Amino acid sequence: QSALTQPASVSGSPGQSINISCTGTASDVGGYNYVSWYQQHPGTAPKLIIYGVSYRPSGVSDRFSASKSGNTASLTISGLQAEDEADYYCSSYTTISTWVFGGGTKLTVL
Amino acid sequence: EVQLVESGGGLVQPGESLRLSCAASGFIFSSYWMHWVRQAPGKGLVWVSRIKSDGGDITYADSVKGRFIISRDNAKSTLYLQMNNLRADDTGIYYCARNYGSGKVDVWGQGTMVTVSS
Repeated sequence: QSALTQPASVSGSPGQSINISCTGTASDVGGYNYVSWYQQHPGTAPKLIIYGVSYRPSGVSDRFSASKSGNTASLTISGLQAEDEADYYCSSYTTISTWVFGGGTKLTVL
Repeated sequence: EVQLVESGGGLVQPGESLRLSCAASGFIFSSYWMHWVRQAPGKGLVWVSRIKSDGGDITYADSVKGRFIISRDNAKSTLYLQMNNLRADDTGIYYCARNYGSGKVDVWGQGTMVTVSS
């Protein structure tokens, strides 16, 4: 049950777009369309922003989009805003009926 | 309002036990799978356990298997996590969360802090 691999940090200026990758294996990310992304601001609970690889829950900005290719999922945030500064986590279902998170990526808006 | 409220956290010594509770409201609790997820101070999210809507299917992370027990009381709309033989690396915030389906974990509680220290 190794954690999915995410970059520790990414940064971008307001208005720009950034991408966060999430690399797993054929036993998790590559094997199922059950990849989710969460946003977490300091001191708060995680918030679901993407589920089922690329679906946005109602109320989540369309500036957030995601996709998957093979064993790697990706989150894109376009039109970066100051409020997007947070930690982002991917997660996936696995072949042994467990779930696994990525190590998290800290997004800094410059 | 759909809500999850955790309770039961606290300071315990290594080897001791603790039971966390998660009270659900605003939705039909018995229809949903539920998860426990934890977060050590300054660290990332780690999945702990999940339980099927009727309690009939349960899985655990290797790190807690044999020590933690997840359960639920659908009549009370409450999820539990019995934590035994606690270790220092079990320290962290414990969140309960609702699985809407297809991996859509859409509702999270505010978390309860567990500290294991001598």
